[in-house]
Amino acid sequence: AQSVSQHNHHVILSEAASLELGCNYSYGGTVNLFWYVQYPGQHLQLLLKYFSGDPLVKGIKGFEAEFIKSKFSFNLRKPSVQWSDTAEYFCAVNPGTTSGTYKYIFGTGTRLKVLA
Amino acid sequence: EAQVTQNPRYLITVTGKKLTVTCSQNMNHEYMSWYRQDPGLGLRQIYYSMNVEVTDKGDVPEGYKVSRKEKRNFPLILESPSPNQTSLYFCASSRLAGGLSDTQYFGPGTRLTVL
Repeated sequence: AQSVSQHNHHVILSEAASLELGCNYSYGGTVNLFWYVQYPGQHLQLLLKYFSGDPLVKGIKGFEAEFIKSKFSFNLRKPSVQWSDTAEYFCAVNPGTTSGTYKYIFGTGTRLKVLA
Repeated sequence: EAQVTQNPRYLITVTGKKLTVTCSQNMNHEYMSWYRQDPGLGLRQIYYSMNVEVTDKGDVPEGYKVSRKEKRNFPLILESPSPNQTSLYFCASSRLAGGLSDTQYFGPGTRLTVL
């Protein structure tokens, strides 16, 4: 079965530290890849997405992610975190039409706490 | 304002009492979906719909029903709720582009407690 793994469940960083959150997926065909963020008390919202083209994608608030097809990975990075980045981060995969399904598969999430 | 709305936002009910959670979007999106969010399990897709009258199961459809009679609405129905359906539920919608689902826009969530 298709799956998405986020290996870091809880991450605590100090402000200005660099961030990298891991995401690996198990589907071998063409995929759309997403990172969503859920700030405390707010809706889930898109951080960034990859459909095709440049494997390094940039999103909002200084976040970026790199798609490495050979590793089935889509890790999220930010060079310098801020207290306001405290949130829960979800990686998601949508296999699209080639898989015959339009399901979305989310990872279990990573709770990031940034200490001021 | 482009948005996905859900009602109710909070609901406490008892085992076996049928309930419906409504979801509506004003963005003319083709794709709509329901998720449940549980601690340690992330978001799990319950059902999704590609368009009017087209629905399909996600990963955790047992105990739920959906319908898509109009493009803007996608209600979630629990015919006989049980305590293991206590969860935070999210509705989402997105446009379809080239057969692929684009960015999902999420509703505010419905916190359901089944006693």
